[in-house]
Amino acid sequence: SAVISQKPSRDICQRGTSLTIQCQVDSQVTMMFWYRQQPGQSLTLIATANQGSEATYESGFVIDKFPISRPNLTFSTLTVSNMSPEDSSIYLCSVEVSGQSSYEQYFGPGTRLTVT
Amino acid sequence: QKEVEQNSGPLSVPEGAIASLNCTYSDRVSQSFFWYRQYSGKSPELIMSIYSNGDKEDGRFTAQLNKASQYVSLLIRDSQPSDSATYLCAALDSNYQLIWGAGTKLIIKP
Repeated sequence: SAVISQKPSRDICQRGTSLTIQCQVDSQVTMMFWYRQQPGQSLTLIATANQGSEATYESGFVIDKFPISRPNLTFSTLTVSNMSPEDSSIYLCSVEVSGQSSYEQYFGPGTRLTVT
Repeated sequence: QKEVEQNSGPLSVPEGAIASLNCTYSDRVSQSFFWYRQYSGKSPELIMSIYSNGDKEDGRFTAQLNKASQYVSLLIRDSQPSDSATYLCAALDSNYQLIWGAGTKLIIKP
């Protein structure tokens, strides 16, 4: 498995501003992922971040709104830009680790974002 | 058909009984399946993974995979109130991305 930390754990932001969320893992990993989870909903993948390449965004998510950095194998950031109340959600990073026969994903504790 | 489907519940089970959580999947996802537990306000925690047909046991948890019928189950024996959580089923697709079910809320009644 992997130990993953996220900063901040929660924040309340005004609309129109931006917030950068940091994700730190205790070991080198190739694949990192950013998810969003609305209250009572399942997980929605925002993008996949490989070190040394541009992040790959899922349908409905764009780089201008959610820029991602992946400067090394243990760290990534997700920025939520020009926030609106609809961006209020829990943002989760996860990492992929080799399991017994497949890859397994482990999650950070999440960042609870409220936009007013 | 959604690629990974779960009954959203809630599923209410008396303490000490067996809780049975089910998940069905489509052809598009691969044969790697995962069960995550998510407590309210917390992030998902991987509790079981299964890749081969049959049963896989880990403590009070047993994962069952039936490829012919395209379903995967999670059994929790001797259910405890601390098992009350939402259980998320996930499967890898051909791009090695996790496809998530909606989650089943499990309530263990003392």
